[in-house]
Amino acid sequence: SQKIEQNSEALNIQEGKTATLTCNYTNYSPAYLQWYRQDPGRGPVFLLLIRENEKEKRKERLKVTFDTTLKQSLFHITASQPADSATYLCASHQAGTALIFGKGTTLSVSS
Amino acid sequence: DVKVTQSSRYLVKRTGEKVFLECVQDMDHENMFWYRQDPGLGLRLIYFSYDVKMKEKGDIPEGYSVSREKKERFSLILESASTNQTSMYLCASSFLRQGLNYEQYFGPGTRLTVT
Repeated sequence: SQKIEQNSEALNIQEGKTATLTCNYTNYSPAYLQWYRQDPGRGPVFLLLIRENEKEKRKERLKVTFDTTLKQSLFHITASQPADSATYLCASHQAGTALIFGKGTTLSVSS
Repeated sequence: DVKVTQSSRYLVKRTGEKVFLECVQDMDHENMFWYRQDPGLGLRLIYFSYDVKMKEKGDIPEGYSVSREKKERFSLILESASTNQTSMYLCASSFLRQGLNYEQYFGPGTRLTVT
């Protein structure tokens, strides 16, 4: 069955460092991957979408890559700040229907 | 800005009660979704809808039903609430273009407790 996995449940880094989160997919080839941010007790908020023919996409301090050979997307936050602390979810479609979400990686940035 | 609203932020119901959760979006999105989110299990899709009066089962539809009578409104119904339906319920909406779903916009969530 189609799977999307975020291997790390938690990531702790110091302020100013680059955070790198990983998303892997198996048993299918998604046309795009999406990344969301979720704060405690709130709904997820869309951040970035990257298509399979795009190697990299940037938005301010955020960068997403899509490697179809490794079946992986990396999500980077450069110059991280305590305000970046949240859970980050990756998602993709399953066979043209609804999105499937990874379980998320909780990022903690300490000052 | 896209706005997705949910009828309640917190709800406490008794076992066996019929529960209605309502969701409204203001962006004329074709798609609407209901998820539940539980610690360690992530977001799980209950039902979704591509159009008015249309519905599709997600991964965990048992014990739930939905209604979409107007494009902007999608209701989740727990026919007879049980304690294992205690959870955070999230509604979302999105455009449907070229057969693919694009970014989803989520509501603030309803934390339902069934006692």
